[in-house]
Amino acid sequence: DAGVTQSPTHLIKTRGQQVTLRCSPKSGHDTVSWYQQALGQGPQFIFQYYEEEERQRGNFPDRFSGHQFPNYSSELNVNALLLGDSALYLCASREGGRDTQYFGPGTRLTVL
Amino acid sequence: EDQVTQSPEALRLQEGESSSLNCSYTVSGLRGLFWYRQDPGKGPEFLFTLYSAGEEKEKERLKATLTKKESFLHITAPKPEDSATYLCAVAKAAGNKLTFGGGTRVLVKP
Repeated sequence: DAGVTQSPTHLIKTRGQQVTLRCSPKSGHDTVSWYQQALGQGPQFIFQYYEEEERQRGNFPDRFSGHQFPNYSSELNVNALLLGDSALYLCASREGGRDTQYFGPGTRLTVL
Repeated sequence: EDQVTQSPEALRLQEGESSSLNCSYTVSGLRGLFWYRQDPGKGPEFLFTLYSAGEEKEKERLKATLTKKESFLHITAPKPEDSATYLCAVAKAAGNKLTFGGGTRVLVKP
């Protein structure tokens, strides 16, 4: 049983560019959340998707947007990249009605 | 505003030297408290979910406990492979967002 998968593993972009990160949830999971983790800090909640809709959003600007597909996979898009967007981006999934979220390996984004 | 504070920030242990990590939280209407382990450059790995004061969960050398204001993660007779960052998080409602603490970096020396 595959766990949560994310792609790509690493990504290097320059300021002002746009980036798309992808996530496939654990089998049987229908809810996907995205988190940003700066070096040496705990993850910060970006948003959560369920039934292809954004259900909850953290304190992140509109430059951060997302999408969930009918197969429950999800994308995180970040526009107009800033140096401060450099971080590990984590995707987590959970089964509807259950509390525990399971995390993927993350995508390391570096903005130069 | 929900707050989660973990202490200490870093912990250096000798192999076999038991210790405890603290997670104090301020949240209205706690749904659950979660412990994760994170290795460098990897995603957090789920350890425990605690729901009510007095609850305890165990897994190998780890034991998590919960009170109304804090949680403890006890590491008994740690081994070098227990070296990792341990993250604590809270959720206010079923499936709600996780609010994380800053983590405790544990290094166990042989």
